[in-house]
Amino acid sequence: KQEVTQIPAALSVPEGENLVLNCSFTDSAIYNLQWFRQDPGKGLTSLLLIQSSQREQTSGRLNASLDKSSGRSTLYIAASQPGDSATYLCAVRDNAGNMLTFGGGTRLMVKP
Amino acid sequence: GAGVSQTPSNKVTEKGKYVELRCDPISGHTALYWYRQSLGQGPEFLIYFQGTGAADDSGLPNDRFFAVRPEGSVSTLKIQRTERGDSAVYLCASSLHGGVNTEAFFGQGTRLTVV
Repeated sequence: KQEVTQIPAALSVPEGENLVLNCSFTDSAIYNLQWFRQDPGKGLTSLLLIQSSQREQTSGRLNASLDKSSGRSTLYIAASQPGDSATYLCAVRDNAGNMLTFGGGTRLMVKP
Repeated sequence: GAGVSQTPSNKVTEKGKYVELRCDPISGHTALYWYRQSLGQGPEFLIYFQGTGAADDSGLPNDRFFAVRPEGSVSTLKIQRTERGDSAVYLCASSLHGGVNTEAFFGQGTRLTVV
């Protein structure tokens, strides 16, 4: 059974810092990996989708990398801003089914 | 519509009651998913529809939970004899089709509280 872990569970940084969020998964036979953002009391907003054949995807200040063989992905946020404060979730879609398996999330707070 | 819409946004019910949660997917999306998210955790898969049929219901926790999608668009998640442990945010997502490389789009969720 696929298991997804996110470290750290919580992170607090001053505004302007570059930061890295980590995601690991136990079964490397995945189709893709998706990073989401969730604001308190809200649904999930898709940030980046990386196909299994890709190594990274970029959108603005966000860069996500994927190392499928080692079961790892990182989300890099450049020049963090208070508006980046949210919970970040990674999820993988694997060969076992058509659902996404989520990690527990990283709660990020960027202090002004 | 512009996005996935879920109603109600909040639902408080008494233990033992029956509830229905509704999901309107993005127009034209054939794949629809239900997830449940407990406080401080990531969402957990419940059920996946491709068109009108439930292609995978392996995540439903027990037979008190049931979901339908009779016309291949709107879906309703039904919970019978609710228990306090059913309290969670129920999220719905849709994608253009059921292909494994398609992106999933989520609604705002329904926060269910069983008292």
